[in-house]
Amino acid sequence: QLVETGGGLIQPGGSLRLSCAGSGLTVSGNYMDWVRQAPGKGLEWVSLIYGGGTAYYADSVKGRFTISRDNSKNTVYLQMNILRDEDTAIYYCARGRTHFDLWGQGTLVTVSS
Amino acid sequence: EIVLTQSPGTLSLSPGERATLSCRASQSISNSQLAWYQQKPGQAPRLLIYDASSRATGIPDRFSGSGSGTDFTLTISRLEPEDFAVYYCQQSGSSFVTFGPGTKVDIK
Repeated sequence: QLVETGGGLIQPGGSLRLSCAGSGLTVSGNYMDWVRQAPGKGLEWVSLIYGGGTAYYADSVKGRFTISRDNSKNTVYLQMNILRDEDTAIYYCARGRTHFDLWGQGTLVTVSS
Repeated sequence: EIVLTQSPGTLSLSPGERATLSCRASQSISNSQLAWYQQKPGQAPRLLIYDASSRATGIPDRFSGSGSGTDFTLTISRLEPEDFAVYYCQQSGSSFVTFGPGTKVDIK
């Protein structure tokens, strides 16, 4: 399973780091993604990490968010900087490249002054 | 970026009826890399169908997917009470993953 932590209330311009801990799977051996969902809205893919640390980002977060991985802790991270109101969402960790077959329960990030 | 359009926005049906959900892409999706998810309130999405027509592990056979190119369909043959939810399509045929806006299936 995947368990996300680290969400909370943060002011615009602030930073937050989300964590996604894996159990029963090895995050380093899988394609691991972050997908977000604004309140009452649809799903938006955010970022992907795989292999030796190759990473991709949606245009909406490129240059502000960084995905990384700690193999010893079997955990994937999402460092979010220069947060904006529109980054308010539930952030899900998910496994997969062409489709997502395992999801965490999500962690809520609220960007507001 | 491939844009996905889902129709209808809301589908009002009764238990036991057949549901047909459409997902249309702005350009052809390579290798039919189109997936369908179900999401209930307060829950994470659940994978139903991948590669347009392959059922995910544990998904009942009343769920089926079809289509290729730019037009895809999710069919629920007979709606069970637990099937009333929002359904999203998702493509990975281009460089970046995109999701459709969703179809809500509610009880008539």
